[in-house]
Amino acid sequence: EPEVTQTPSHQVTQMGQEVILRCVPISNHLYFYWYRQILGQKVEFLVSFYNNEISEKSEIFDDQFSVERPDGSNFTLKIRSTKLEDSAMYFCASGAMTSTDTQYFGPGTRLTVL
Amino acid sequence: QKEVEQNSGPLSVPEGAIASLNCTYSDRVSQSFFWYRQYSGKSPELIMSIYSNGDKEDGRFTAQLNKASQYVSLLIRDSQPSDSATYLCAVTRNGGSQGNLIFGKGTKLSVKP
Repeated sequence: EPEVTQTPSHQVTQMGQEVILRCVPISNHLYFYWYRQILGQKVEFLVSFYNNEISEKSEIFDDQFSVERPDGSNFTLKIRSTKLEDSAMYFCASGAMTSTDTQYFGPGTRLTVL
Repeated sequence: QKEVEQNSGPLSVPEGAIASLNCTYSDRVSQSFFWYRQYSGKSPELIMSIYSNGDKEDGRFTAQLNKASQYVSLLIRDSQPSDSATYLCAVTRNGGSQGNLIFGKGTKLSVKP
């Protein structure tokens, strides 16, 4: 069964460093998302991406964040200068074209900022 | 601010019982409704989706939607210890794959053997 994959599973970084989180969505999906979940809190939407551009972003997704689909398979989230409060699980999700389809989540990347 | 509210629990039920999970949402234009299951340290896993008023059954799971009351629920029949997890309610304004999901905080379910 097709699935969303994410790498790395765990990333530890120093405050102020740049990190890139990688995702491979399900191959025939067209909609891509990043969500995050701070420990003990709810899953929060960051950004959605369709047709090679951002379609929607939340207040969390400020200038420190960017997304890219560098080739036909990968979808990346970059945080330019990490803060302590960026420590969270980051989930990538993808969805197919039909309106009754849903979003399928990858296993997540745990980001720890020291 | 668009909100999805859930009772955080924990909800404890004995094995074989029915677990009832509830969710309310504030955005009247919400169109798609989902229940995800999340085990500790894992990603959300889709359990059910529902788009129109009424009930939708899938195996031991039944989702119920009442748009007039802005209420969606999930019933789990014959609960098993493996059902112990946090259940997340999520809504979106658009079709399920085409809009950002707004999640509730989740209800933690514990099924006792």
